[in-house]
Amino acid sequence: KAGVTQTPRYLIKTRGQQVTLSCSPISGHRSVSWYQQTPGQGLQFLFEYFSETQRNKGNFPGRFSGRQFSNSRSEMNVSTLELGDSALYLCASRQSRDSSYEQYFGPGTRLTVT
Amino acid sequence: GENVEQHPSTLSVQEGDSAVIKCTYSDSASNYFPWYKQELGKGPQLIIDIRSNVGEKKDQRIAVTLNKTAKHFSLHITETQPEDSAVYFCAANPTSGTYKYIFGTGTRLKVLA
Repeated sequence: KAGVTQTPRYLIKTRGQQVTLSCSPISGHRSVSWYQQTPGQGLQFLFEYFSETQRNKGNFPGRFSGRQFSNSRSEMNVSTLELGDSALYLCASRQSRDSSYEQYFGPGTRLTVT
Repeated sequence: GENVEQHPSTLSVQEGDSAVIKCTYSDSASNYFPWYKQELGKGPQLIIDIRSNVGEKKDQRIAVTLNKTAKHFSLHITETQPEDSAVYFCAANPTSGTYKYIFGTGTRLKVLA
């Protein structure tokens, strides 16, 4: 079974621009979560989507948004990029069964904002 | 607030020795505690997890122990090998039944050949 895939793997953007990252979960997984990883703040939860609905949200500004499609693929968008948004963005998928807690991460998208 | 503390931040061991990484969590309602291994240029890989109704879980050379009273859980790696060198993260869900995980700050493990 294929793992979580994320595209693109690397991205360079300029301050003020916006960016969209994509995530395809493991086949059969309906929950997708996004995390930001930086050397200073570590791994921080952004949001979780299940059945096209956002179920949980972390403490990030409204510039960070996401969505999920009917095939469980997810995208996250960051508008008005700031230098501090440079990070590794990780997507994780989980089965939708109740009490199924295991999350599996993709390789991440490395975003650099200049 | 929700918090997971992880120690040590770096750990060097000789090949064949054991390694122990410790985490504490703040929310007594947490009921799921995974451990991830992250190698350079890769995403975190789930290596073992434990739920609050279990005190210990083993998988070959890896084991995790949980002390709910102390809100403390640990990763134990025995007979370490050079390929165990990586950054290890612990995590906890802040509330029972949620899938939003709070991560520790990571431990860089170096296994010296």
